[in-house]
Amino acid sequence: QQQVKQSPQSLIVQKGGISIINCAYENTAFDYFPWYQQFPGKGPALLIAIRPDVSEKKEGRFTISFNKSAKQFSLHIMDSQPGDSATYFCAAIGATNKLIFGTGTLLAVQP
Amino acid sequence: EAQVTQNPRYLITVTGKKLTVTCSQNMNHEYMSWYRQDPGLGLRQIYYSMNVEVTDKGDVPEGYKVSRKEKRNFPLILESPSPNQTSLYFCASSDRGRYEQYFGPGTRLTVT
Repeated sequence: QQQVKQSPQSLIVQKGGISIINCAYENTAFDYFPWYQQFPGKGPALLIAIRPDVSEKKEGRFTISFNKSAKQFSLHIMDSQPGDSATYFCAAIGATNKLIFGTGTLLAVQP
Repeated sequence: EAQVTQNPRYLITVTGKKLTVTCSQNMNHEYMSWYRQDPGLGLRQIYYSMNVEVTDKGDVPEGYKVSRKEKRNFPLILESPSPNQTSLYFCASSDRGRYEQYFGPGTRLTVT
């Protein structure tokens, strides 16, 4: 069963635009929601993460918005750059340390 | 440099020929895990280990074995590989009580 649903599957954005990736989860026991960035030929790397007691977290051009009541969270990439082109995974984790990943979004930022 | 290493990075093998993918971390992490990545399915956990000699099944453990005899190493064993195990495999590690997992560079396995 897919406990974390991610959309869209792929996304094309023009340079300077805003990229938005959405995720929804089911298990209310999750208490940490990371986003991982994966470049071709590399392993995923933690990009930014949020806990459910805050509604927004911003690090540079990357922002997570979190809606606890709707059990949804999203990643916004402001001023998207070609170097941001990668696959992005949302994930959720609880006390078991088990990461549950979304299915991934392939982002292409066109120059 | 803190890192997770995997070997080999690429492997082509035939059905039924036993193989081992090694994973090693130099961060003294207690928690280690194996994932497989398939298009449209994201990353799915195969096995994980909370500490030495403590391992447990993840979501897709069938056809795989693991062992954790030392804290730094967590090999993935395929006793009799089949074509449906063709995939991209990642090892990851983290500190106990910390959620950030560090991933290795991946092993691309093809079983013909």
